[in-house]
Amino acid sequence: DIQMTQSPSALSTSVGDRVTITCRASQSISNWLAWYQQKPGKAPNLLIYQSSSLESGVPSRFSVSGSGTEFTLTISSLLPDDFATYYCQQYKSYPYTFGQGTKLEIK
Amino acid sequence: EVQLVQSGAEVQRPGSTVKISCKVSGFSFTDHYIHWVQQAPGKGLAWMGVIDYEDDETIYAEKFQGRVTITADKSTDTVYMELNSLRSEDTAVYYCAAGRSIIPGRSFQWFDPWGQGTQVTVSS
Repeated sequence: DIQMTQSPSALSTSVGDRVTITCRASQSISNWLAWYQQKPGKAPNLLIYQSSSLESGVPSRFSVSGSGTEFTLTISSLLPDDFATYYCQQYKSYPYTFGQGTKLEIK
Repeated sequence: EVQLVQSGAEVQRPGSTVKISCKVSGFSFTDHYIHWVQQAPGKGLAWMGVIDYEDDETIYAEKFQGRVTITADKSTDTVYMELNSLRSEDTAVYYCAAGRSIIPGRSFQWFDPWGQGTQVTVSS
């Protein structure tokens, strides 16, 4: 199975801050990577697919980079609505696997 | 636009079986894979399996192999996930999600949209 490791696991941050989340795969997954945002009590919501394609409606303050084994999700200037948990997911091969999540908390 | 609506919360005894439904609407012929994902309390997301809605072919995660069965009823546009031999560790929210891809076939799929989730509690 392909292991996905996110860092950090949690981040205490403030509105207006720039935040970067890293996702590493245990082997190359090319660009077969998605990012999801999950708020408490809600289903995950797709943000990014194909490692760099923003889903329709996702604000431009979200940006992504990377391919192969290392990927980053950056939020340029946090808004209150962005405090949530973020997951990366590889879909290069079954079983599809997720990172353990990164929880953004308000400082 | 694909929409997924799941059945309500369940409380089950250890050793029993739960069957959760996922009503699908808005499918196009390219959007015919439904996945299931487990989220245990305070935990991350674990992919359980997928069904090809067209030919009923399934793939399961090894972790759940032998205990999980995913089926589709085309007459009602409903996908089911059945998990047997329940234990306390199966207490979780279970999500169905539609697979999307840039290429045809069952591979290389991200998940969008997701159902609202179904809470399953296993307790004696």
